[in-house]
Amino acid sequence: EAGVTQSPTHLIKTRGQQATLRCSPISGHTSVYWYQQALGLGLQFLLWYDEGEERNRGNFPPRFSGRQFPNYSSELNVNALELEDSALYLCASSPPPTGYNEQFFGPGTRLTVL
Amino acid sequence: GENVEQHPSTLSVQEGDSAVIKCTYSDSASNYFPWYKQELGKRPQLIIDIRSNVGEKKDQRIAVTLNKTAKHFSLHITETQPEDSAVYFCAASRWANNLFFGTGTRLTVIP
Repeated sequence: EAGVTQSPTHLIKTRGQQATLRCSPISGHTSVYWYQQALGLGLQFLLWYDEGEERNRGNFPPRFSGRQFPNYSSELNVNALELEDSALYLCASSPPPTGYNEQFFGPGTRLTVL
Repeated sequence: GENVEQHPSTLSVQEGDSAVIKCTYSDSASNYFPWYKQELGKRPQLIIDIRSNVGEKKDQRIAVTLNKTAKHFSLHITETQPEDSAVYFCAASRWANNLFFGTGTRLTVIP
C-alpha cells in the first residue's frame, strides 16, 4: 500500500511570492491534515480537511489556505510569503473520522523563503 | 485551544537504561494522546497511543501512562537501544482529529 506522498520535496521562494504544496493521502483515507514544523517549534496544526470541507484550522493567518479535491488529495497555499514561513510542511491522512484513527504522515515539503 | 507542554527537550541515557518523557495538556476535553517518533530526515511515525478511558498501555519496551485528573501523560522506554535515538513528540486531541503537539524531546542513547 502506498503511503502519503507530497510534492515538491523542496521549494524555494522569495518574500511576497505564493507557494503551493500538494499532498496525496493513502487510498481510502478521507481526512487530510497539514502541519508546519519550524525549527525548534515542534509541529503546529494548520488545517484539517475531510470530504472536501475545511473542518478546522489552527492559529495561522488567512494567507494560509487550502482545499481538498474530490479524489481527497489536498493543496496548501501560502500567499504573501514571509521569511518566517520557512519550515517543513507535513501532510497527514487518516480514515473517515468516525473514531480514533492514526494519522499517517508524508515526507514533507521543505519551504525556504529568501 | 489545546496547549501541550513537553519535557525534557533533550535527554541522554546509557544503552540499557530507561527513558521517561513527560507531557501536560490544557484541554480537559482531549481524549486521545499519541506519541510519534521522528528519526533524522524522516517523517513522524506513531509508536503508541492511549485513550482517555485507559490509565496505562504497554507495547514491548514502550509504555504510556495517563493521569486525566492532573492532565499529564508520560512515555516510558525501557532497555533503551541506540536505534531508539530520535525526536519524540507527544500530542493531544479530541477524537484523534487535528493533533496538538508538544515541542519534542531529542533522545540520545549512548552505546
